[in-house]
Amino acid sequence: GQSLEQPSEVTAVEGAIVQINCTYQTSGFYGLSWYQQHDGGAPTFLSYNGLDGLEETGRFSSFLSRSDSYGYLLLQELQMKDSASYFCAVKDQGGKLIFGQGTELSVKP
Amino acid sequence: DSGVTQTPKHLITATGQRVTLRCSPRSGDLSVYWYQQSLDQGLQFLIHYYNGEERAKGNILERFSAQQFPDLHSELNLSSLELGDSALYFCASSGQDMNTEAFFGQGTRLTVV
Repeated sequence: GQSLEQPSEVTAVEGAIVQINCTYQTSGFYGLSWYQQHDGGAPTFLSYNGLDGLEETGRFSSFLSRSDSYGYLLLQELQMKDSASYFCAVKDQGGKLIFGQGTELSVKP
Repeated sequence: DSGVTQTPKHLITATGQRVTLRCSPRSGDLSVYWYQQSLDQGLQFLIHYYNGEERAKGNILERFSAQQFPDLHSELNLSSLELGDSALYFCASSGQDMNTEAFFGQGTRLTVV
């Protein structure tokens, strides 16, 4: 079946860098995405990796290694507003868009 | 604003009842996904429709059903409601079948009492 694993929570201080890892197991693979969700709000798309390597979007970067079934989201220059849950997601060949259980990031002053 | 509209925003209903949640995808998006998110839990995939056809099913209960209409809006029907069905229900739309970039609506918060 399909599964994604990511840490349940991470804590960091303002201005720091934090990395959230994600390992996945899926039948067929069409890329790894990352989403952010603030408490009770709608998840919002952050980034997508279809090929191996690093994708950078402002303070956020995402990395994928298909051979290791592994990716990560890197958040730099952390701000208080970055406190949220972060989900990795994959799509399998059956058309399911599956999310990990989420990593709750707490940014402290 | 993601462009995805979900109604209603909040719903309170009694056990045993039936409700219908509605989702209008972004203009031009053919894919609609439904998710259930219980308190402090992840997004549980329920079902995916593409251009009116069911494309994939997750661990969706038999009491739940969905459809996507010719105008591409979708409805999720929940029947014989139980207390454990209380959750946030999100729909998301996507522009291409195999695209993993999805746009979420604000969700419907269902409370079963």
